[in-house]
This record gives sequence, C-alpha cells and structure tokens, in this order.
Amino acid sequence: EQQVQQSPASLVLQEAENAELQCSFSIFTNQVQWFYQRPGGRLVSLLYNPSGTKQSGRLTSTTVIKERRSSLHISSSQITDSGTYLCAMGNNNAGAKLTFGGGTRLTVRP
Amino acid sequence: EAAVTQSPRNKVAVTGGKVTLSCNQTNNHNNMYWYRQDTGHGLRLIHYSYGAGSTEKGDIPDGYKASRPSQENFSLILELATPSQTSVYFCASGDAWTGVNYAEQFFGPGTRLTVL
Repeated sequence: EQQVQQSPASLVLQEAENAELQCSFSIFTNQVQWFYQRPGGRLVSLLYNPSGTKQSGRLTSTTVIKERRSSLHISSSQITDSGTYLCAMGNNNAGAKLTFGGGTRLTVRP
Repeated sequence: EAAVTQSPRNKVAVTGGKVTLSCNQTNNHNNMYWYRQDTGHGLRLIHYSYGAGSTEKGDIPDGYKASRPSQENFSLILELATPSQTSVYFCASGDAWTGVNYAEQFFGPGTRLTVL
C-alpha cells in the first residue's frame, strides 16, 4: 500500500520567517503534487513537481526521486499563508490516482 | 487553471436514502476522481475513471457507485446512504503522465454531505 508521510504535523511561524515542509513516500513515484487548503476549503494546487526543483513565487519545491522525498520551502511567510499544506504522490500505473499525506498545519502569526 | 465544479455544495440526506453527487470539468481531461476527506483519515480515493463509460474502484469503494456518462461529467452515487458517509467529497480531474504532459490534478470546491 502506498503511503505518504508529512512532517512536521504542525508549524507556527512569525511573519516573515521561512518554512520547510517535508514529504516522504513509501514507493518510487513519478508524480508529486503540493496543495494548499484552508479549513473547509478546496484544494488549491501549488506545485506539480515530479523531479528536481520547481519555483512559484515564494514557494520552492525540491523532489529527489531516488530518495523518495519532496520538500516545500515557503520564504518570507505571510499571515495569509496559514492553512494546511498537503503533499500527494501518484502512481502512473494505477490511473495516476493520488495518495495524500496527513498534511502540515501552518500558522503564521504577526 | 482547470475548471472543476461540483453540485450540490451542501447536502443533508436521511439514512437509507439515495444521494447523487455531480462533478463537471471543462478541460477535456481523460481521468476523473472522487475523494472523501475526513478528520483523522485525510483524503482517500473512492472511485476514478479513465474516460466516458469507464469507472474503477479506488481505495474505499464500498457503499459507493460511480458513473461517467461523458468526458465532462462524473457522478458519485450513494444508493443507501449511511451516517458513516457523512464527509466532504472532492472531485478532481487530470491526465496520466505521458512523458510530455503533466499529470497534475485539479480539484473542485467540495460537497459537504451530512447523513442523518
């Protein structure tokens, strides 16, 4: 069974600090996607990063396939970054369905 | 960005009743998915589809059926709803990675279902 582990489970930052979120996978994957979700809200795709490093604004994701891990770096955090960050891995041999980690709940304080 | 819509957004059903959740996507993706999200369990896959006419079982299919009548539409059907099916349901669409395109998935806004 595919599993995804995320760490830390929760994180509290002061505004403008940086955050590093981690994700590890039980199997090799060619599909890694990071999402953001507010309580009760939809999943917003942040980055699709199956390998290497990818950046979008203040977000940088690094995926190392052979080590079965991915990270999400948030620079200069803002209060509006608060929410839950979900990592998901996919299996192209199984309909590209996603298996999700438990999430990291981020709180950014002023 | 891909557009995925769901209806209804909120639904209250009675135990034993039939519930149909609908999903529509306008980006011509081949694959569509139904997930549910519960506290303590995260997001889990119920059913998915490779295209019109196809449905596949996901990780937790018991108690659910799915229907894909067209490329754009994918429904989740609870024939006999139970309180344990109270949850938030998300639909998503995407494509399999072919070496050229991305297999990124895009999610709808979710449907909050309460079964009394």
